[in-house]
Amino acid sequence: DAGVIQSPRHEVTEMGQEVTLRCKPISGHDYLFWYRQTMMRGLELLIYFNNNVPIDDSGMPEDRFSAKMPNASFSTLKIQPSEPRDSAVYFCASNRGFPYADTQYFGPGTRLTVL
Amino acid sequence: GNSVTQMEGPVTLSEEAFLTINCTYTATGYPSLFWYVQYPGEGLQLLLKATKADDKGSNKGFEATYRKETTSFHLEKGSVQVSDSAVYFCALSEGAQKLVFGQGTRLTINP
Repeated sequence: DAGVIQSPRHEVTEMGQEVTLRCKPISGHDYLFWYRQTMMRGLELLIYFNNNVPIDDSGMPEDRFSAKMPNASFSTLKIQPSEPRDSAVYFCASNRGFPYADTQYFGPGTRLTVL
Repeated sequence: GNSVTQMEGPVTLSEEAFLTINCTYTATGYPSLFWYVQYPGEGLQLLLKATKADDKGSNKGFEATYRKETTSFHLEKGSVQVSDSAVYFCALSEGAQKLVFGQGTRLTINP
């Protein structure tokens, strides 16, 4: 089976531009997570979905960030407008729910650089 | 709130050395505990886990025991290889789905 797929793998953009990151979870997984990884703050959970519904977005840093999951096989994380401090690696992860709930499967990440 | 504290890195060892990476946690209730590994340029992969006190998780020669009395989940390997070079993350489950990660420990193994 294919793992979690993320695109693009690398994104370089200029401050003020809109950025859209994409994720395809593993087929059959009910939960999808978006994380951000930086040297300073480590790995942070931004938001997660269950059956395409956002459950907890308390980690979303501010209104410039938004996430959607229009169907079970696709999610987006959008940053508008982007700022240099948004530069990070963004990971998507998924899992199957009970009783496998706590083992998450990560994608390869998108490295975002905002100039 | 719940938290995970890992041994600060980076850690550098010679091949075949014994490895310990310390991990302690603070949590309400009885979380599951995990070690994830991140190889260069890749996402995190589950290395091992333990779901209750005194459980031992093991995989690829790595082991960790869930110690409730010391709130610890230290990662050990008897003889490391160059291919073990990676960043290791300790984590706990918070509620039904959320994972709380430690800051990560970068391990480098020299031949």
